[in-house]
Amino acid sequence: GQSLEQPSEVTAVEGAIVQINCTYQTSGFYGLSWYQQHDGGAPTFLSYNALDGLEETGRFSSFLSRSDSYGYLLLQELQMKDSASYFCAVNTGFQKLVFGTGTRLLVSP
Amino acid sequence: DAMVIQNPRYQVTQFGKPVTLSCSQTLNHNVMYWYQQKSSQAPKLLFHYYDKDFNNEADTPDNFQSRRPNTSFCFLDIRSPGLGDAAMYLCATSRGGDDQPQHFGDGTRLSIL
Repeated sequence: GQSLEQPSEVTAVEGAIVQINCTYQTSGFYGLSWYQQHDGGAPTFLSYNALDGLEETGRFSSFLSRSDSYGYLLLQELQMKDSASYFCAVNTGFQKLVFGTGTRLLVSP
Repeated sequence: DAMVIQNPRYQVTQFGKPVTLSCSQTLNHNVMYWYQQKSSQAPKLLFHYYDKDFNNEADTPDNFQSRRPNTSFCFLDIRSPGLGDAAMYLCATSRGGDDQPQHFGDGTRLSIL
């Protein structure tokens, strides 16, 4: 079977740093993606890691350790607009994604 | 702007009455996907097309079917909607290749009366 586990909810204040973890167990693995979804909106692509290490894109960074089947999304200088759900997703091959359980991030003033 | 467009944003149908959801794209991507997303859950892949090749997920109910008449359009047909089919339906596209991101439409929220 396929499983991707994330914390269900994380809370933080504006300006803080937050890390959202993802552990996965899948039948295929080509890379780990992260998507952001605001309530009522579409998932939007944030980052992709195919190799071990850290990828940085502005305030967001994503990390992957394939040997540990683990990754995380790091959000820095949090803003109110970052309040959303964040999904990790494994590219399992054949152009398919399997999504994690999702983490709801609540940013307070 | 190039994008993925889903119509309508909200669809109401009656129990057992067939319904079709539509998706179009101006990205000229090879792959088009249909996902079902229920409240507070992850998107669940129903099926996808790579060009004209149809790929159905093993656990997608027979009640759900899809058509892709050309590169730009893809349809989701629900033959006999049940109350459990009420959900957000998301269309996505990608260029193909496992390192390519998926681009999602805003979704159609389907309600069943």
